[in-house]
Amino acid sequence: EPEVTQTPSHQVTQMGQEVILRCVPISNHLYFYWYRQILGQKVEFLVSFYNNEISEKSEIFDDQFSVERPDGSNFTLKIRSTKLEDSAMYFCASSSGEDTQYFGPGTRLTVL
Amino acid sequence: DQQVKQNSPSLSVQEGRISILNCDYTNSMFDYFLWYKKYPAEGPTFLISISSIKDKNEDGRFTVFLNKSAKHLSLHIVPSQPGDSAVYFCAASAGGNKLTFGGGTRVLVKP
Repeated sequence: EPEVTQTPSHQVTQMGQEVILRCVPISNHLYFYWYRQILGQKVEFLVSFYNNEISEKSEIFDDQFSVERPDGSNFTLKIRSTKLEDSAMYFCASSSGEDTQYFGPGTRLTVL
Repeated sequence: DQQVKQNSPSLSVQEGRISILNCDYTNSMFDYFLWYKKYPAEGPTFLISISSIKDKNEDGRFTVFLNKSAKHLSLHIVPSQPGDSAVYFCAASAGGNKLTFGGGTRVLVKP
């Protein structure tokens, strides 16, 4: 069964450093998303991406964040200058446009 | 963001019995609702969904009920199995866009 994959599973970084989180969505999907879950809080939407551009972003997704689909398979989330409060689980999701989003296993980001 | 709420943080049920998880929403623009199951250190796994044009959807042991007038949905798991022990999230979307999640309900199925 096709699945969304994410790398790395755990990323530890120093405050102020740049990180890139990687995702490989399900191959025939056209819509891509990033969500995050801070420990003890809800899963919250960050950004959606369709047709090589951002279709919607939350207020969390400020200028420090960017997304890219550098090739036909990868979808990346970049945080330019990480802050302590960026520590969270980051989930990538994809859908074919039929509403159901399928999630990857997540990347645990720890900012020290 | 309190648009989707799961008021029961935890639920304990005996193996073989029914688990009923509840979810309330406030945004009348939501037209698609999903339930996800999540184990620790894993991503949410899709379980079952329902469109706002329906009031019930069934898939094996899982049934989702939607009451639009009450802005309430529920997930029934019958019979509950020990492998069902996990955190269950209700989520909603409007027009196939971003998902808004509830806070989750931790289910423990006792053998």
